[in-house]
Amino acid sequence: AQSVTQLDSHVSVSEGTPVLLRCNYSSSYSPSLFWYVQHPNKGLQLLLKYTSAATLVKGINGFEAEFKKSETSFHLTKPSAHMSDAAEYFCVVSGGGYQKVTFGTGTKLQVIP
Amino acid sequence: DVKVTQSSRYLVKRTGEKVFLECVQDMDHENMFWYRQDPGLGLRLIYFSYDVKMKEKGDIPEGYSVSREKKERFSLILESASTNQTSMYLCASSLALGRPAGGIEQFFGPGTRLTVL
Repeated sequence: AQSVTQLDSHVSVSEGTPVLLRCNYSSSYSPSLFWYVQHPNKGLQLLLKYTSAATLVKGINGFEAEFKKSETSFHLTKPSAHMSDAAEYFCVVSGGGYQKVTFGTGTKLQVIP
Repeated sequence: DVKVTQSSRYLVKRTGEKVFLECVQDMDHENMFWYRQDPGLGLRLIYFSYDVKMKEKGDIPEGYSVSREKKERFSLILESASTNQTSMYLCASSLALGRPAGGIEQFFGPGTRLTVL
């Protein structure tokens, strides 16, 4: 069994300040973890993924995430928010047969000018 | 670049109509998926297919069926549309397990926003 919890449904930051989107997971397997971004009226785009290699994963557009097994967390961070980062972000856990994939409920990021 | 296309961006249907949502991918991916996305619920898997003519139920298959006659095409069918099927529908594809992809990411289409009146 697996699950993923995104701890905040909405996050609001000022432009130029750090971003932190929190994700906790549970999995019976050695999971793969992903962050996807969805801009308004668009499909989902992969930001980054963890697949049991380096625990600090760098993605596109300056985002990164750290896999912490002891805390079962995979939080997404960015040092400085940009207006174009305003979107909905989904944390995803994958594992087991037939690539069982479980999505979090999403975090909407608002960036204030 | 992987491209996943969906036949319509917006669709309006009436209760009881049969609805077909089409999805095509151009990267020879084995796996294809249909999700619905609703506010506050994230994405929920309806059905997926790991090969031509093969399908598996996801978490919410009731009221839906699927068809995969060709590797690149995966159709979602609403046999008799109901208002509670008003939603955003997302199609995705991915390589199969065992391929050297280092964590099997899914590639998504732009979505079809279906309204059932």
